[in-house]
Amino acid sequence: DQQVKQNSPSLSVQEGRISILNCDYTNSMFDYFLWYKKYPAEGPTFLISISSIKDKNEDGRFTVFLNKSAKHLSLHIVPSQPGDSAVYFCAASASTGNQFYFGTGTSLTVIP
Amino acid sequence: DAGVTQSPTHLIKTRGQQVTLRCSPKSGHDTVSWYQQALGQGPQFIFQYYEEEERQRGNFPDRFSGHQFPNYSSELNVNALLLGDSALYLCASSFGVSGYTYEQYFGPGTRLTVT
Repeated sequence: DQQVKQNSPSLSVQEGRISILNCDYTNSMFDYFLWYKKYPAEGPTFLISISSIKDKNEDGRFTVFLNKSAKHLSLHIVPSQPGDSAVYFCAASASTGNQFYFGTGTSLTVIP
Repeated sequence: DAGVTQSPTHLIKTRGQQVTLRCSPKSGHDTVSWYQQALGQGPQFIFQYYEEEERQRGNFPDRFSGHQFPNYSSELNVNALLLGDSALYLCASSFGVSGYTYEQYFGPGTRLTVT
């Protein structure tokens, strides 16, 4: 049972425009969410996180939005750069446990 | 500052064999988690070790076992290998297990192929 879903396997965006990556979850116990970025032949790299007490968290060009009622989070990258081309995973965890549940990933291609 | 390291990088085994994968956590980290990432899928949690004990386990059979050493490094052992065990095995380290406001740092993974 996939508790974290990324329904878009791929996304292409022009350089300088906004990239929006989406993630949905089903478990209402999840209260901490992370985004990871993965280049080929490397492990995932932590990008940004958000806890359920917030609905927005920013870090430079990256902003994560959380809509708890819709069980939906999104990652915005503005402006998108060619170096952002990678696979992006969202992950979720409940404070009652230490296990992170990952989505299947979205492959982002930023076109120069 | 050394990040998370894993060995070996690649491994080819035959069905029925046993394999051991190794992980050294990032400096200052004391918790190690193991994940299996099948092709086209996200990482799936296998188990987590803290203070040399398995603290939490995902939905994986007993063929998957692990160990954590006093220096916080860890091993993942898989017995009676199946073709379906072919995957990228990722190790992630973090500090502590209390609460949830921690970030895991991943190693580059070990690519296991079972033939």
